[in-house]
Amino acid sequence: GEDVEQSLFLSVREGDSSVINCTYTDSSSTYLYWYKQEPGAGLQLLTYIFSNMDMKQDQRLTVLLNKKDKHLSLRIADTQTGDSAIYFCAEDHQAGTALIFGKGTTLSVSS
Amino acid sequence: EPEVTQTPSHQVTQMGQEVILRCVPISNHLYFYWYRQILGQKVEFLVSFYNNEISEKSEIFDDQFSVERPDGSNFTLKIRSTKLEDSAMYFCASKSGPNSPLHFGNGTRLTVT
Repeated sequence: GEDVEQSLFLSVREGDSSVINCTYTDSSSTYLYWYKQEPGAGLQLLTYIFSNMDMKQDQRLTVLLNKKDKHLSLRIADTQTGDSAIYFCAEDHQAGTALIFGKGTTLSVSS
Repeated sequence: EPEVTQTPSHQVTQMGQEVILRCVPISNHLYFYWYRQILGQKVEFLVSFYNNEISEKSEIFDDQFSVERPDGSNFTLKIRSTKLEDSAMYFCASKSGPNSPLHFGNGTRLTVT
C-alpha cells in the first residue's frame, strides 16, 4: 500500500535554513502537501504542490519535488523559533481521495 | 480567512458511552473528512463524505462509527460505544473540490476513561 516516510527530528539554529525531507511510494499522487502542527493544535496547511511541478516557492518556504525519486522536501529559509513544530508530509493517490500522512518531523529551532 | 471549526475542543467520556464530535466545515466546501491522531502517532484517515454519502472509509471506521451531515453546515462523527483505544485527537477536514487542498480544524481531543 501507499506509504510516506519522514525523518523524525531536525534541529537547527535560528537564522539557518531548515530542510525537511519526505519520500513516498505512490507514483500516482496528484498533490503533495506540507502541514504544520504546533503543540496541542490542529494541522495548518503550509503549502502544497501539484505532481506535475518540480518546485514551488512561497515567501520563506520552498518545496522541491523529485517525482522520479518520489522525494519531496520543504526548505524554510531564515528559520525562526516560531517555526518549531511538527511538520507532516502528505500525499493523495488520486484527486478527491484520502491523504496519506507521514509520521511527522519535529523541527526544533534554538536561538 | 474561513476555517473549519470543531467542538468541543476536549471531550472526556466513560468507556461504553456514545460521543458525538461536531464540525462546521468551510461554507462552500463539498468534501468532508474525519481523521484521527493517537498521541505521538501518525494522522490516520477514517472516512470521507461527499454528496451526502460516505465515499471512502478506512479499516478503523467500523460499525461503531458513523457520520452525518444533519443540516447544511454541520458534519458529525458518532462513536456508539467508546473504547479506551478510541482516545485520540479527532480532526475534521474539508475542501471545495477534488483538486483543492484539504483544510483541517483544530481537532477534538477525546479521552475515554
